[in-house]
Amino acid sequence: GQNIDQPTEMTATEGAIVQINCTYQTSGFNGLFWYQQHAGEAPTFLSYNVLDGLEEKGRFSSFLSRSKGYSYLLLKELQMKDSASYLCAALDSNYQLIWGAGTKLIIKP
Amino acid sequence: DAGVIQSPRHEVTEMGQEVTLRCKPISGHDYLFWYRQTMMRGLELLIYFNNNVPIDDSGMPEDRFSAKMPNASFSTLKIQPSEPRDSAVYFCASSLTLREGTDTQYFGPGTRLTVL
Repeated sequence: GQNIDQPTEMTATEGAIVQINCTYQTSGFNGLFWYQQHAGEAPTFLSYNVLDGLEEKGRFSSFLSRSKGYSYLLLKELQMKDSASYLCAALDSNYQLIWGAGTKLIIKP
Repeated sequence: DAGVIQSPRHEVTEMGQEVTLRCKPISGHDYLFWYRQTMMRGLELLIYFNNNVPIDDSGMPEDRFSAKMPNASFSTLKIQPSEPRDSAVYFCASSLTLREGTDTQYFGPGTRLTVL
């Protein structure tokens, strides 16, 4: 079957760095997405990786290892507004998104 | 562009009643997706359309759920009859393409459905 695993909840301190991991098992693979979802709001796109390596976008970076079925989202210089759920989703061979349950990130001052 | 538009934003109804959720995708997007999100099950794909044609409805939970897309700018998700376990946030999303992974899905604000 197809499966996405990510931690349920993480806590970090304002100004620090946090890494949210995601492992995936899909029928075929056409890339991995990270979305951010604030409480009561819709998911919004953060990043997409299809090749191995690190993609940096400001304070956020996303890494992919296709051979390991592994990705992480790295958030630097954490701000209170980064408190949200972070959803990992893999694009399978049919170009359908397989979603993880999300990681709730709590930022403490 | 106004983004994906959904209505209503909140719906409270009684068990057995018919519920209709509405969605207007981003103009020019060929794909439209209906999702359901709950704390227990996370984000679930219910159905998606390509150029107004339903492509995959394997996520629709049962016959009580139906979705239509009569034209490129409008889609509905109907639940008849509704049950308390249908209580969730229903999101509509659209994307320009599907096969280009870099083309992201844009989500509407969601409809929070409560069935009493």
